[in-house]
Amino acid sequence: LAKTTQPISMDSYEGQEVNITCSHNNIATNDYITWYQQFPSQGPRFIIQGYKTKVTNEVASLFIPADRKSSTLSLPRVSLSDTAVYYCLVGDIFGGAAGNKLTFGGGTRVLVKP
Amino acid sequence: GAVVSQHPSRVICKSGTSVKIECRSLDFQATTMFWYRQFPKQSLMLMATSNEGSKATYEQGVEKDKFLINHASLTLSTLTVTSAHPEDSSFYICSARLAEAYEQYFGPGTRLTVT
Repeated sequence: LAKTTQPISMDSYEGQEVNITCSHNNIATNDYITWYQQFPSQGPRFIIQGYKTKVTNEVASLFIPADRKSSTLSLPRVSLSDTAVYYCLVGDIFGGAAGNKLTFGGGTRVLVKP
Repeated sequence: GAVVSQHPSRVICKSGTSVKIECRSLDFQATTMFWYRQFPKQSLMLMATSNEGSKATYEQGVEKDKFLINHASLTLSTLTVTSAHPEDSSFYICSARLAEAYEQYFGPGTRLTVT
């Protein structure tokens, strides 16, 4: 399973865009990149998933360069309620039992200030 | 859709007793469920993978005789912490996966405190 590296923490202010970059130098050809959000004392919540280029949904965008060795989660116009820990995960979604596993790294603690 | 529930949400037990935590997929059938443990300010650590109708697969370092997992149906998996000790106090989270899908849906977690 590819190892991921993220900044430990980031501070931002309401209304700003927050970009969190995750490094995954050993990403394999079949690996997808998935981001989860976790609030204190809650289970993680799926945010977005992608393989290459750019993916956008109603809450975030995911930018993946051509070499796929990193990815950037972009949260537009954050609010106080976006304060959470964000995890970047890499795995083979078609990889059978091994691909089913999610290995969580340290995550990035985002604090949104008023 | 894809809601996963856990029960109880919080439990306090005395050292030496056993505690059972339930994980249910409410609106879908989960062929695979996962159990994680999370200590304060730390990331989630996968404990075991539970497949319906078969024995759970435990991660290295997780004692299968201490953390008993039963996945009796496609919507229910249980984790029993046997002979709990204070060091077992943690946040236990389950997740469920749809067949032929990668995305996992997480439960709200169970806070276990062993006194």
